[in-house]
Amino acid sequence: DVKVTQSSRYLVKRTGEKVFLECVQDMDHENMFWYRQDPGLGLRLIYFSYDVKMKEKGDIPEGYSVSREKKERFSLILESASTNQTSMYLCASRPFRDRGWETQYFGPGTRLLVL
Amino acid sequence: AQTVTQSQPEMSVQEAETVTLSCTYDTSESNYYLFWYKQPPSRQMILVIRQEAYKQQNATENRFSVNFQKAAKSFSLKISDSQLGDTAMYFCAFMKLPGSGGGADGLTFGKGTHLIIQP
Repeated sequence: DVKVTQSSRYLVKRTGEKVFLECVQDMDHENMFWYRQDPGLGLRLIYFSYDVKMKEKGDIPEGYSVSREKKERFSLILESASTNQTSMYLCASRPFRDRGWETQYFGPGTRLLVL
Repeated sequence: AQTVTQSQPEMSVQEAETVTLSCTYDTSESNYYLFWYKQPPSRQMILVIRQEAYKQQNATENRFSVNFQKAAKSFSLKISDSQLGDTAMYFCAFMKLPGSGGGADGLTFGKGTHLIIQP
C-alpha cells in the first residue's frame, strides 16, 4: 500500500513564525503536491514537484514556498505565518507514467492554526 | 483553466437507499481524467472511482458508479445500497493529462458534498 505521512496532525503557531510542514511518501513517487482545504472552497493546489529539486506553482502559491531535496520528502514552508493561512494542509503523491500514474495518494492532513 | 462545480453542499439519505451526487465541469481540454474522492470525518482522502474522458463506458467500482456525459460536461456519482460508512465529504476532481501544458498538473477540485447516511 502507498503510504503518505505528514509530520503533524495538528499545529499551532503564532503570526510571523516560520512554519515547516513535512510530507514523506514511501513508494518512490516522482510527483508530489501540496493542497490546502478550506470549508466551502474545497481543495486548492499550492505547489507541486515533478521530481527532486523541481517545483511548480499551483493556483495559490502566495505566501508559501517548497523544498524537495530528496525524492521521498516534500516540505511546505510558510515564511511568515499569517492568520489567513489557518487551514487544513494535505500532501499527495503519485508515480509518473507508471501504472496507476493518474491517481494521487493523500496524506492524513495537517490542521494548522495561526494565532 | 478548469472549473469543477458541485451544486449540492449537503445531502442526507436513509441507509440502503441509492443516492446520486452531481458534478459539472468546464474545460477546453479534449482528453482528461475525472475522479471522485471520499474524505470520511477526520480521516484520509481516498479515491472512490476514476474515469478517463476518452472512454465512453461509465466506470463502476462495486456499489459506486458514475454517469459520465462528456458533451454535457457532467460527471455524477451514484452510490447504491448506501451504508453508514459512506458518510463523508465527497469531492469531484478534474485532471488534465500531465505535461499537456497550461500550468500545474494537480487536481482541480469542486467544493465538495457532505453526504450523511441516516440509520
